[in-house]
Amino acid sequence: GAVVSQHPSWVICKSGTSVKIECRSLDFQATTMFWYRQFPKQSLMLMATSNEGSKATYEQGVEKDKFLINHASLTLSTLTVTSAHPEDSSFYICSARDWTQETQYFGPGTRLLVL
Amino acid sequence: GENVEQHPSTLSVQEGDSAVIKCTYSDSASNYFPWYKQELGKGPQLIIDIRSNVGEKKDQRIAVTLNKTAKHFSLHITETQPEDSAVYFCAASEDDKIIFGKGTRLHILP
Repeated sequence: GAVVSQHPSWVICKSGTSVKIECRSLDFQATTMFWYRQFPKQSLMLMATSNEGSKATYEQGVEKDKFLINHASLTLSTLTVTSAHPEDSSFYICSARDWTQETQYFGPGTRLLVL
Repeated sequence: GENVEQHPSTLSVQEGDSAVIKCTYSDSASNYFPWYKQELGKGPQLIIDIRSNVGEKKDQRIAVTLNKTAKHFSLHITETQPEDSAVYFCAASEDDKIIFGKGTRLHILP
């Protein structure tokens, strides 16, 4: 199947700093990418939908100024957690939609720990 | 919006036996139902999916059934093996947005 990568796979940062997470579709073009957050032993919660060349659409309760999303190309979307706090510690997972197959493929996730 | 309920939350089966996980959804407009397997520390992996114009789909030891009238769908794993131990998520989607169930932790007992 199609491959989606994320970088970094894990990151530790100090409270108040910003962290950028990259999501790439390696062998297909993705006009739409999605960002999810998963707390331990819980399900994936959709944070936002990222469309190439336009502004992201955020789910209710997700602060757009705190979670900045950029989708500048058909193979790359980035999520920046600004002024991170310990409560932002979580597993962040992206997915990319292969429009030719109408299927979403998920990345391996990025574990963020804010101290 | 869409709401997906998944049961059971935990399931233990003897190796070689079958496992069944059931889900219901609320939005009759949903037309795509994927199932994901997630191992510890990894992203979810699509294992099988079904669209609303089909009632059943099978891929080797894995099968999924869909009842659109009742708005429920199920995952069946036969001849379970130790490597089937993981968390399984059902999901429903109408457009691009995928809504996940809460997950089922499947333990395969030796």
